[in-house]
Amino acid sequence: QSALTQPASVSGSPGQSITISCTGTSSDVGAYKYVSWYQQHPGKAPKLMIYDVSIRPSGVSNRFSGSKSGNTASLTISGLQAEDEADYYCSSYTSSSTYVFGTGTKVTVL
Amino acid sequence: QVQLVQSGAEVKKPGASVRVSCKPSGYTFTGYYIHWVRQAPGQGLEWMGRINANSGGTNYAQKFQGRVTMTRDTSISTAYMELSRLRSDDTAVYYCARVGRVVVPDTITHAVDYWGQGTLVTVSS
Repeated sequence: QSALTQPASVSGSPGQSITISCTGTSSDVGAYKYVSWYQQHPGKAPKLMIYDVSIRPSGVSNRFSGSKSGNTASLTISGLQAEDEADYYCSSYTSSSTYVFGTGTKVTVL
Repeated sequence: QVQLVQSGAEVKKPGASVRVSCKPSGYTFTGYYIHWVRQAPGQGLEWMGRINANSGGTNYAQKFQGRVTMTRDTSISTAYMELSRLRSDDTAVYYCARVGRVVVPDTITHAVDYWGQGTLVTVSS
């Protein structure tokens, strides 16, 4: 199972919106609604930001939103803030009853 | 409050095995899966496998088949991950993580809502 493909880095200025893509296959992202997104700050455990493609857990800012089209899922951060600077990973359930993470994207707030 | 507390850091020689424990609290242990995820220094997250804390059933990533064993002891609400035939590239932080089961209502399934603090495993001769 190959890792899902994400851009290595994305940057934006405070207040702007950015979108991170996550491309898989018809056996993972394209097959299920079970795509999730995690935020990870250096030295910390990941934090769940989106699950089931577009659902925000309680306590996560509504500046974070998720979507999916075909084999590609996306995470959009609107109103970018300094605290959003972190690594972001997507994850998907697969047809083998396993899970796979994305390659990770470093978000930089300029 | 939900917590997953992992065992401490380990240093192992190549070829040895390591066992990491994960003791959740604050919820019903058997109502969830425990997943194991690792992260090598400066690298991304890598899913290793999961265990159904109720039935003990497991699913492993193909990469680790034959080298990883996930178990649980319901009497002490603890999950374990054992990795054998260690190599230097197994050096990583190993996380346990909670994922809901579909049969249990009002849980987040197919995504991790709580993580352990991580256990650093260093493989070096």
